[in-house]
Amino acid sequence: ETGVTQSPTHLIKTRGQQVTLRCSSQSGHNTVSWYQQALGQGPQFIFQYYREEENGRGNFPPRFSGLQFPNYSSELNVNALELDDSALYLCASRRDSHTEAFFGQGTRLTVV
Amino acid sequence: AQSVTQLDSQVPVFEEAPVELRCNYSSSVSVYLFWYVQYPNQGLQLLLKYLSGSTLVKGINGFEAEFNKSQTSFHLRKPSVHISDTAEYFCAVNPETSGSRLTFGEGTQLTVNP
Repeated sequence: ETGVTQSPTHLIKTRGQQVTLRCSSQSGHNTVSWYQQALGQGPQFIFQYYREEENGRGNFPPRFSGLQFPNYSSELNVNALELDDSALYLCASRRDSHTEAFFGQGTRLTVV
Repeated sequence: AQSVTQLDSQVPVFEEAPVELRCNYSSSVSVYLFWYVQYPNQGLQLLLKYLSGSTLVKGINGFEAEFNKSQTSFHLRKPSVHISDTAEYFCAVNPETSGSRLTFGEGTQLTVNP
């Protein structure tokens, strides 16, 4: 059973650019959530996808968007990058809404 | 809405000493409670969870936590820590009826010294 994998592990982008982060959910999991963890802080919920539909969103602007594919993998897209978007982005998958969430290793995004 | 307060940002202890990491939460609805651990440059690993039943929950690596509904607390304890327990610990809550949306505290850095 493979765990949650994220790619890339590290990324450097310039302010104003766009970025796509990828997440492969654990086998058998149909729900994927994304979190942003700024340095020295706890993770903040961005949004969640269940069976290819967004079904929950945190307090993030529309330039944060996502997709979930039929195989339940997911992408997080961020447009018009700002310096404050620099953070560790974590993906978590679970089998349904009331079971344990398994986290990936994260993607460290640096915006310069 | 939910909020989580971890009362100590840093906890230094000596090896083999007991430790308690404190967590209080606020919520207008019933919640599930979790403790996660994060080692440097890694993702989050679940230590333990409280969904229902016994208020004393045992997790991995010798950790346990007690749910206190009247005090809205979920403190994490370990009777004897090891150097390898040095990490960041996060308390989190998830509403029982609102799908999966974890709200995390700010974290507690546990440093175990020899």
